[in-house]
Amino acid sequence: NAGVTQTPKFRVLKTGQSMTLLCAQDMNHEYMYWYRQDPGMGLRLIHYSVGEGTTAKGEVPDGYNVSRLKKQNFLLGLESAAPSQTSVYFCASSSTRFPPTQYFGPGTRLLVL
Amino acid sequence: GENVEQHPSTLSVQEGDSAVIKCTYSDSASNYFPWYKQELGKGPQLIIDIRSNVGEKKDQRIAVTLNKTAKHFSLHITETQPEDSAVYFCAASKAWGANNLFFGTGTRLTVIP
Repeated sequence: NAGVTQTPKFRVLKTGQSMTLLCAQDMNHEYMYWYRQDPGMGLRLIHYSVGEGTTAKGEVPDGYNVSRLKKQNFLLGLESAAPSQTSVYFCASSSTRFPPTQYFGPGTRLLVL
Repeated sequence: GENVEQHPSTLSVQEGDSAVIKCTYSDSASNYFPWYKQELGKGPQLIIDIRSNVGEKKDQRIAVTLNKTAKHFSLHITETQPEDSAVYFCAASKAWGANNLFFGTGTRLTVIP
């Protein structure tokens, strides 16, 4: 039982390049989330999903797209990376039961030059 | 939307002393308040949570208190140990629908041996 895994762990991009971050969970959770973490700003929600085939915008969705084609996977895409997207990205998942504990992956560190 | 403020941003204590971290929230509809611990290079991990119908919850050396009227909640760590050194985040949620969490900006706790 690996919990939540993220791929890749670290990536360097040039401005304008695109990439996809992959999140996978093996806990059969309905809900999945993508956050970014920046110094002094805590974790901010980018996009989330309440089930396979559904996605919704969070607090800071601009410049990102997501897809949830399979229940266990949640993909975060950057179509044209900008230096402002340099951050650490965390994926999380939770069940529909209370309490709504979110389980986090180990993070992806992204540097955009 | 919900706004969670967290203080202090950094905290240093001697081993064996107590540490207190405080958070306030703005949305009176929030009813679930988890605390996460993030060790260096890892994702956040839930350490304790409290529901709005409970005023205090304790788990060994960790306790959380909630004052719904004042809209603030606190984390108390007693008999601190070096392994308690980490970044701690508070969060608030309405715990329905997508269970979206709104995080504070974090407190870096350093326990000095």
